[in-house]
Amino acid sequence: DAGVIQSPRHEVTEMGQEVTLRCKPISGHNSLFWYRQTMMRGLELLIYFNNNVPIDDSGMPEDRFSAKMPNASFSTLKIQPSEPRDSAVYFCASRAAGGDEKLFFGSGTQLSVL
Amino acid sequence: AQKITQTQPGMFVQEKEAVTLDCTYDTSDPSYGLFWYKQPSSGEMIFLIYQGSYDQQNATEGRYSLNFQKARKSANLVISASQLGDSAMYFCAMTATDSWGKLQFGAGTQVVVTP
Repeated sequence: DAGVIQSPRHEVTEMGQEVTLRCKPISGHNSLFWYRQTMMRGLELLIYFNNNVPIDDSGMPEDRFSAKMPNASFSTLKIQPSEPRDSAVYFCASRAAGGDEKLFFGSGTQLSVL
Repeated sequence: AQKITQTQPGMFVQEKEAVTLDCTYDTSDPSYGLFWYKQPSSGEMIFLIYQGSYDQQNATEGRYSLNFQKARKSANLVISASQLGDSAMYFCAMTATDSWGKLQFGAGTQVVVTP
């Protein structure tokens, strides 16, 4: 199994630009999560989906952030416009259906907004 | 509300020795899950071990074991026979059953394994 795949691995952009982060969950997993890691706040949940439907987006910082999951094998997290304070590592994670408790993370996207 | 506390910001351990990483939690949820993850310097988050709140036995995964003491609300990770590759940041996390995967993380413990 390839695991959770995130792209890009690193992203450097200028303030005001649109940023799109991508995630492919493990095949057969029906829950997908977006987390953000910063030095100040640690790891925090932004949004999660069950069966492609957003369940809880209370962690999304503001309207500049949006997430979609058009199908079971793909999700995006978009920041428009980006700001320097959005610089962080963004992780995607997925979990299988049927009561499997394990939550597996991707390698993360290191985002730097200049 | 849930809270995870890891009181050890960093520790050194000699190769081949065992090490215990402390984790205490606070929750009002009757059913929950506890996780440990490893984050090496390369940055990825690696799943290590999981313990359900109703599991009767402590979880084990190879060299990792979770010392679960429900009454004391602690879920310490024990790494046996430490290896140089175990040097990393270790995070304890928990989730409630009704919002599975919505993890609350501790601040982490940095482990350095020395030869």
